[in-house]
Amino acid sequence: AIQMTQSPSSLSASVGDRVTITCRTSQAIRYDLGWYQQKPGKAPKLLIYGASTLRSGVPARFSGSGSGTDFTLTISGLQAEDSATYYCLQDYDYPWTFGQGTKVEIK
Amino acid sequence: QVQLQESGPGLVKPSGTLSLTCGVPAGSITSSTWWSWVRQSPGKGLEWIGEISHSGTTNYNPSLMSRVTMSIDNFKNQFSLKISYVTAADTAVYFCTRTAALRFESWGQGTLVTVSS
Repeated sequence: AIQMTQSPSSLSASVGDRVTITCRTSQAIRYDLGWYQQKPGKAPKLLIYGASTLRSGVPARFSGSGSGTDFTLTISGLQAEDSATYYCLQDYDYPWTFGQGTKVEIK
Repeated sequence: QVQLQESGPGLVKPSGTLSLTCGVPAGSITSSTWWSWVRQSPGKGLEWIGEISHSGTTNYNPSLMSRVTMSIDNFKNQFSLKISYVTAADTAVYFCTRTAALRFESWGQGTLVTVSS
């Protein structure tokens, strides 16, 4: 299985800050990576697919980049409602695998 | 987004079988969709269990493959998950999800299943 290494595991930032989360895969996966946001007690929500394509309806302050083995989720101008845990997911090869998650807290 | 709804017992005895069903809107089981189960152990991350197509083709996570069975009922607009020989390690919130144009584009609200005697 493709291993996912997500970092950091948690971070604390202020409203308006730029936040960066990284995801590294154990083998190259082209652009086959998505980012999901999960709030407590809720199901995850897809934010970005194909490494960098913003899903319709997702605020433009979210962006993704990367290819191969190294990927990044950036939140430009953190908002209070962005407090959540973020997961990357590779769907290049079975079994689909998630990163361990990054908990984003607002200072 | 498509509304999905998990249902099933919230408590299963060790060595028993966990059985869950996911109800989906009528007409949403099409040839272009895959239906998955994802679980999340308390305080932990997400684990993909497996997926099933409209025709019943399945792909399972090798870590669970020996104990997992998924099925789909197009007439009842639902798909199901069974995990046999459960242990405390199978205690988790179980989500059903839909992949059509995008992977895991719709999710159920999740249901907690506890394995305990």
